[in-house]
Amino acid sequence: QKEVEQNSGPLSVPEGAIASLNCTYSDRVSQSFFWYRQYSGKSPELIMSIYSNGDKEDGRFTAQLNKASQYVSLLIRDSQPSDSATYLCAVNSGGSNYKLTFGKGTLLTVNP
Amino acid sequence: DADVTQTPRNRITKTGKRIMLECSQTKGHDRMYWYRQDPGLGLRLIYYSFDVKDINKGEISDGYSVSRQAQAKFSLSLESAIPNQTALYFCATSDLGPTSTDTQYFGPGTRLTVL
Repeated sequence: QKEVEQNSGPLSVPEGAIASLNCTYSDRVSQSFFWYRQYSGKSPELIMSIYSNGDKEDGRFTAQLNKASQYVSLLIRDSQPSDSATYLCAVNSGGSNYKLTFGKGTLLTVNP
Repeated sequence: DADVTQTPRNRITKTGKRIMLECSQTKGHDRMYWYRQDPGLGLRLIYYSFDVKDINKGEISDGYSVSRQAQAKFSLSLESAIPNQTALYFCATSDLGPTSTDTQYFGPGTRLTVL
Protein backbone atom coordinates (compact mmCIF):
# COMPACT_ATOMS: atom_id res chain seq x y z
CA GLN A 1 0.00 0.00 0.00
CA LYS A 2 1.56 3.24 -1.15
CA GLU A 3 1.29 5.92 1.50
CA VAL A 4 1.79 9.65 1.60
CA GLU A 5 1.95 11.18 5.05
CA GLN A 6 1.41 14.79 6.03
CA ASN A 7 0.96 16.52 9.34
CA SER A 8 -2.71 17.47 9.40
CA GLY A 9 -2.03 20.69 11.28
CA PRO A 10 -3.32 23.21 11.67
CA LEU A 11 -0.07 25.03 11.06
CA SER A 12 -0.37 28.62 12.13
CA VAL A 13 2.15 31.29 11.08
CA PRO A 14 2.12 35.08 11.25
CA GLU A 15 1.86 37.15 8.11
CA GLY A 16 5.25 37.62 6.48
CA ALA A 17 6.78 34.49 8.01
CA ILE A 18 7.98 31.35 6.24
CA ALA A 19 5.55 28.43 6.29
CA SER A 20 7.11 24.98 6.01
CA LEU A 21 4.97 22.04 4.94
CA ASN A 22 6.30 18.50 4.98
CA CYS A 23 5.43 15.23 3.31
CA THR A 24 6.89 11.72 3.41
CA TYR A 25 6.11 8.87 1.07
CA SER A 26 6.53 5.12 1.26
CA ASP A 27 7.12 4.06 -2.36
CA ARG A 28 10.84 4.29 -3.12
CA VAL A 29 10.30 4.25 -6.89
CA SER A 30 8.18 7.40 -6.83
CA GLN A 31 9.24 9.79 -9.56
CA SER A 32 6.88 12.78 -9.61
CA PHE A 33 5.84 14.95 -6.72
CA PHE A 34 3.21 17.64 -6.56
CA TRP A 35 1.87 20.23 -4.18
CA TYR A 36 -1.75 21.31 -4.52
CA ARG A 37 -3.49 24.10 -2.66
CA GLN A 38 -7.16 23.66 -1.77
CA TYR A 39 -9.39 26.34 -0.35
CA SER A 40 -12.35 25.14 1.68
CA GLY A 41 -15.05 23.71 -0.60
CA LYS A 42 -12.98 24.32 -3.73
CA SER A 43 -10.99 22.06 -6.02
CA PRO A 44 -7.27 21.35 -5.63
CA GLU A 45 -5.08 23.74 -7.57
CA LEU A 46 -1.55 22.80 -8.63
CA ILE A 47 1.15 24.97 -7.07
CA MET A 48 4.39 23.12 -7.72
CA SER A 49 5.72 19.98 -9.29
CA ILE A 50 9.20 18.56 -8.69
CA TYR A 51 10.94 15.58 -10.22
CA SER A 52 14.62 15.80 -9.22
CA ASN A 53 16.42 16.00 -5.91
CA GLY A 54 17.03 19.52 -4.69
CA ASP A 55 15.10 22.73 -4.66
CA LYS A 56 12.71 24.24 -7.17
CA GLU A 57 11.61 27.82 -6.76
CA ASP A 58 8.57 29.58 -8.21
CA GLY A 59 7.89 33.03 -6.81
CA ARG A 60 7.26 32.75 -3.08
CA PHE A 61 7.10 28.96 -3.25
CA THR A 62 10.01 26.52 -3.01
CA ALA A 63 9.63 22.78 -3.29
CA GLN A 64 12.37 20.57 -1.89
CA LEU A 65 12.85 16.91 -2.72
CA ASN A 66 15.08 14.32 -1.05
CA LYS A 67 14.48 10.93 -2.62
CA ALA A 68 16.96 9.16 -0.34
CA SER A 69 14.95 10.26 2.68
CA GLN A 70 11.63 9.93 0.80
CA TYR A 71 10.77 13.43 1.79
CA VAL A 72 9.30 16.40 -0.02
CA SER A 73 8.55 19.81 1.41
CA LEU A 74 7.00 23.12 0.43
CA LEU A 75 8.23 26.45 1.74
CA ILE A 76 6.08 29.54 1.42
CA ARG A 77 8.01 32.77 1.95
CA ASP A 78 6.38 36.03 3.01
CA SER A 79 3.19 34.18 3.90
CA GLN A 80 -0.03 36.06 3.24
CA PRO A 81 -3.51 35.55 4.71
CA SER A 82 -4.58 34.48 1.21
CA ASP A 83 -2.22 31.50 1.55
CA SER A 84 -4.50 30.10 4.26
CA ALA A 85 -5.70 26.80 2.79
CA THR A 86 -5.13 23.07 2.93
CA TYR A 87 -1.99 21.92 1.11
CA LEU A 88 -2.04 18.48 -0.45
CA CYS A 89 1.07 16.51 -1.25
CA ALA A 90 0.69 14.06 -4.14
CA VAL A 91 3.10 11.40 -5.36
CA ASN A 92 3.22 9.46 -8.62
CA SER A 93 5.21 6.26 -8.95
CA GLY A 94 5.80 6.84 -12.62
CA GLY A 95 6.06 4.37 -15.44
CA SER A 96 2.82 3.87 -17.35
CA ASN A 97 0.81 4.34 -14.20
CA TYR A 98 -0.13 7.97 -13.80
CA LYS A 99 -2.20 7.55 -10.70
CA LEU A 100 -1.49 9.95 -7.90
CA THR A 101 -1.49 9.06 -4.24
CA PHE A 102 -2.53 12.02 -2.12
CA GLY A 103 -1.73 12.85 1.45
CA LYS A 104 -4.59 13.99 3.64
CA GLY A 105 -3.36 17.55 3.59
CA THR A 106 -2.02 20.13 6.01
CA LEU A 107 -4.22 23.05 6.99
CA LEU A 108 -2.24 26.30 6.97
CA THR A 109 -3.50 29.43 8.68
CA VAL A 110 -1.68 32.73 8.13
CA ASN A 111 -2.57 35.26 10.79
CA PRO A 112 -2.61 38.98 9.90
CA ASP B 1 -14.39 28.98 -19.94
CA ALA B 2 -13.26 26.35 -17.48
CA ASP B 3 -11.15 23.52 -18.91
CA VAL B 4 -12.79 20.86 -16.72
CA THR B 5 -16.47 21.16 -15.91
CA GLN B 6 -18.67 19.08 -13.67
CA THR B 7 -22.44 18.86 -13.49
CA PRO B 8 -24.32 19.17 -11.29
CA ARG B 9 -22.36 21.27 -8.80
CA ASN B 10 -24.64 20.36 -5.95
CA ARG B 11 -27.10 17.51 -5.57
CA ILE B 12 -29.29 16.27 -2.77
CA THR B 13 -30.87 12.89 -3.26
CA LYS B 14 -32.46 10.09 -1.31
CA THR B 15 -31.22 6.65 -0.41
CA GLY B 16 -31.75 4.16 -3.22
CA LYS B 17 -31.87 6.68 -6.04
CA ARG B 18 -29.64 6.41 -9.10
CA ILE B 19 -27.39 9.40 -9.59
CA MET B 20 -25.10 10.37 -12.44
CA LEU B 21 -22.32 12.93 -12.15
CA GLU B 22 -20.88 14.22 -15.38
CA CYS B 23 -17.47 15.56 -16.29
CA SER B 24 -16.38 17.27 -19.48
CA GLN B 25 -13.00 18.64 -20.45
CA THR B 26 -11.66 20.83 -23.23
CA LYS B 27 -7.99 20.25 -22.41
CA GLY B 28 -7.65 17.45 -24.95
CA HIS B 29 -6.29 15.12 -22.30
CA ASP B 30 -6.50 11.36 -22.67
CA ARG B 31 -6.71 10.44 -19.01
CA MET B 32 -9.61 11.15 -16.71
CA TYR B 33 -10.22 10.34 -13.08
CA TRP B 34 -12.96 10.41 -10.46
CA TYR B 35 -12.15 11.08 -6.82
CA ARG B 36 -14.17 11.55 -3.70
CA GLN B 37 -13.09 13.68 -0.78
CA ASP B 38 -14.26 13.23 2.77
CA PRO B 39 -13.18 15.28 5.80
CA GLY B 40 -10.11 13.70 7.36
CA LEU B 41 -9.74 11.10 4.61
CA GLY B 42 -8.27 13.13 1.80
CA LEU B 43 -8.78 12.41 -1.88
CA ARG B 44 -9.51 8.82 -2.80
CA LEU B 45 -9.56 7.45 -6.33
CA ILE B 46 -12.80 5.82 -7.45
CA TYR B 47 -12.21 5.07 -11.15
CA TYR B 48 -9.83 6.16 -13.85
CA SER B 49 -9.70 5.93 -17.62
CA PHE B 50 -6.60 6.20 -19.78
CA ASP B 51 -8.57 6.32 -23.02
CA VAL B 52 -12.11 5.71 -24.26
CA LYS B 53 -11.71 1.92 -24.23
CA ASP B 54 -9.78 1.71 -20.98
CA ILE B 55 -11.58 1.81 -17.61
CA ASN B 56 -9.94 0.88 -14.33
CA LYS B 57 -11.08 0.59 -10.75
CA GLY B 58 -9.50 2.77 -8.13
CA GLU B 59 -9.19 2.11 -4.44
CA ILE B 60 -12.90 2.62 -3.60
CA SER B 61 -14.95 1.56 -6.63
CA ASP B 62 -17.63 -0.47 -4.84
CA GLY B 63 -21.06 1.11 -5.30
CA TYR B 64 -19.92 3.17 -8.30
CA SER B 65 -19.75 2.69 -12.05
CA VAL B 66 -18.39 4.87 -14.84
CA SER B 67 -18.80 5.49 -18.52
CA ARG B 68 -16.29 7.10 -20.87
CA GLN B 69 -18.55 8.37 -23.64
CA ALA B 70 -15.83 10.20 -25.51
CA GLN B 71 -12.32 11.47 -24.94
CA ALA B 72 -13.81 14.58 -23.38
CA LYS B 73 -16.56 13.02 -21.26
CA PHE B 74 -16.39 10.74 -18.23
CA SER B 75 -19.47 10.06 -16.10
CA LEU B 76 -19.74 8.58 -12.63
CA SER B 77 -22.89 6.74 -11.56
CA LEU B 78 -24.17 5.71 -8.18
CA GLU B 79 -26.59 2.91 -8.98
CA SER B 80 -28.32 2.98 -5.60
CA ALA B 81 -27.12 5.87 -3.49
CA ILE B 82 -26.50 5.39 0.22
CA PRO B 83 -25.79 8.01 2.91
CA ASN B 84 -22.10 7.14 3.26
CA GLN B 85 -21.63 8.22 -0.36
CA THR B 86 -22.25 11.78 0.80
CA ALA B 87 -19.03 13.54 -0.19
CA LEU B 88 -17.36 16.05 -2.46
CA TYR B 89 -16.63 14.47 -5.85
CA PHE B 90 -13.91 15.67 -8.17
CA CYS B 91 -13.13 14.86 -11.76
CA ALA B 92 -9.56 15.31 -12.95
CA THR B 93 -7.67 15.02 -16.22
CA SER B 94 -4.06 14.47 -17.22
CA ASP B 95 -2.09 14.31 -20.42
CA LEU B 96 -0.60 11.16 -21.92
CA GLY B 97 1.15 13.04 -24.72
CA PRO B 98 4.90 13.09 -25.38
CA THR B 99 5.37 16.24 -23.35
CA SER B 100 3.23 15.01 -20.50
CA THR B 101 4.30 15.85 -17.00
CA ASP B 102 1.46 13.69 -15.65
CA THR B 103 0.01 16.67 -13.86
CA GLN B 104 -3.62 16.26 -12.93
CA TYR B 105 -6.06 19.16 -13.30
CA PHE B 106 -9.25 19.17 -11.29
CA GLY B 107 -12.80 20.20 -12.03
CA PRO B 108 -14.75 22.40 -9.60
CA GLY B 109 -16.35 19.48 -7.79
CA THR B 110 -19.84 18.17 -7.11
CA ARG B 111 -21.17 18.24 -3.58
CA LEU B 112 -23.45 15.22 -3.20
CA THR B 113 -25.70 14.65 -0.21
CA VAL B 114 -27.56 11.37 0.18
CA LEU B 115 -30.37 11.50 2.73
